[in-house]
Amino acid sequence: EVQLVESGGGLVQPGGSLRLSCAASGFTFSTYWMHWVRQVPGKGLVWVSRINNDGSSTKYADSVKGRFTIARDNAKNTLSLQMNSLTTEDTAVYYCARAGLSTHAFDMWGQGTMVTVSS
Amino acid sequence: SDVLTQPPSVSVAPGQTARITCGGNNIGGTVVHWYQQKPGQAPVLVVYDNSDRPSGIPERFSGSKSGNTATLTVRRVEAGDEADYYCQVWDSRLNWVFGGGTKLIVL
Repeated sequence: EVQLVESGGGLVQPGGSLRLSCAASGFTFSTYWMHWVRQVPGKGLVWVSRINNDGSSTKYADSVKGRFTIARDNAKNTLSLQMNSLTTEDTAVYYCARAGLSTHAFDMWGQGTMVTVSS
Repeated sequence: SDVLTQPPSVSVAPGQTARITCGGNNIGGTVVHWYQQKPGQAPVLVVYDNSDRPSGIPERFSGSKSGNTATLTVRRVEAGDEADYYCQVWDSRLNWVFGGGTKLIVL
């Protein structure tokens, strides 16, 4: 089955760190660019970060630049997001998403993992 | 989103046509994608590259663009179409940008 499954969310104190993972299956992971998108419950979608297919190029939203690191392991079909210096503003559901091969559109999404930053 | 403007809600009776707009100064020079998100679920791509439909998406869903406004049209609306809809573009300055979302209400 073609799917993305996120894990690693949870409750963390302000200033803390968390590492999210996204396991891909059912498709040739190493071919696709991958993204992280977050959503505060009840609010809209916000793009967070992207990585190209071989991991040599990354981009970040200004709100997370310098604090978050996106990475991938194509041998293990896994995408990750290392989140440091977390603030309450980072509380959200985090989705991993696959970008289509010939379009910037996100043609597959994981189910999301909730990150709560609170003392 | 300051870049892409969507109406907060659109209401339509079953069987009628819903039109959801997405406006922005940069839309004319890029392609627009649309996502459907039902409560408690992940988004689903329903239209990409302005007007193309992924496999499995009903023909009732269509997209268009004119000038700096893109439109998602849902024909013969069903109760199951009730959801939040988001437009998205790639912007060279802001990277990947989503509109604020529109709640489609089926009366």
